[in-house]
Amino acid sequence: GAGVSQSPRYKVAKRGQDVALRCDPISGHVSLFWYQQALGQGPEFLTYFQNEAQLDKSGLPSDRFFAERPEGSVSTLKIQRTQQEDSAVYLCASSLAIPNYGYTFGSGTRLTVV
Amino acid sequence: DQQVKQNSPSLSVQEGRISILNCDYTNSMFDYFLWYKKYPAEGPTFLISISSIKDKNEDGRFTVFLNKSAKHLSLHIVPSQPGDSAVYFCAASADNNDMRFGAGTRLTVKP
Repeated sequence: GAGVSQSPRYKVAKRGQDVALRCDPISGHVSLFWYQQALGQGPEFLTYFQNEAQLDKSGLPSDRFFAERPEGSVSTLKIQRTQQEDSAVYLCASSLAIPNYGYTFGSGTRLTVV
Repeated sequence: DQQVKQNSPSLSVQEGRISILNCDYTNSMFDYFLWYKKYPAEGPTFLISISSIKDKNEDGRFTVFLNKSAKHLSLHIVPSQPGDSAVYFCAASADNNDMRFGAGTRLTVKP
């Protein structure tokens, strides 16, 4: 597609529920990033893939968070046993191998845990 | 550990005047700096970038200045237009790896 597509746009989850957030990067983009943006804050790095390899997951806040990109294109961010502090916008971005061109972000998934 | 800081949460300027958005960083390993613009309900969009080997990069109405000794960069928009009203994020990366973002500055350009 022309841009980075994320689904769903909005997700309301009950505390304790598992959620899965999807990201379709721009075709041909090797690098894929997940960010978490809390209200009034800048995006916080979660994890980074180069093709199917997860090269950095240092930003994942707990072992409840898991990301995968099994075929090097679509990625899924899974959050298990959601808690209220997980409420945020989850942004996905992709880039060519050299991110000097600037990442292209999706519109994000707004997760609200009630 | 906030490595990129934008200390002004908001800025208001008059149309036609200059907007100056500031950003400070702490990690001396950062070698690439970017500015992103974000409208409500949209993802951030890339605006302009600068490599650490430069001290200035200009693109139309947008100029980014980098002061490595002070670990400070700024974005100048001149002349400012109402359509520039958005949240601006400063970001930095080291060795082409993941970016670290500031908390953002909300710019309002008044007609």
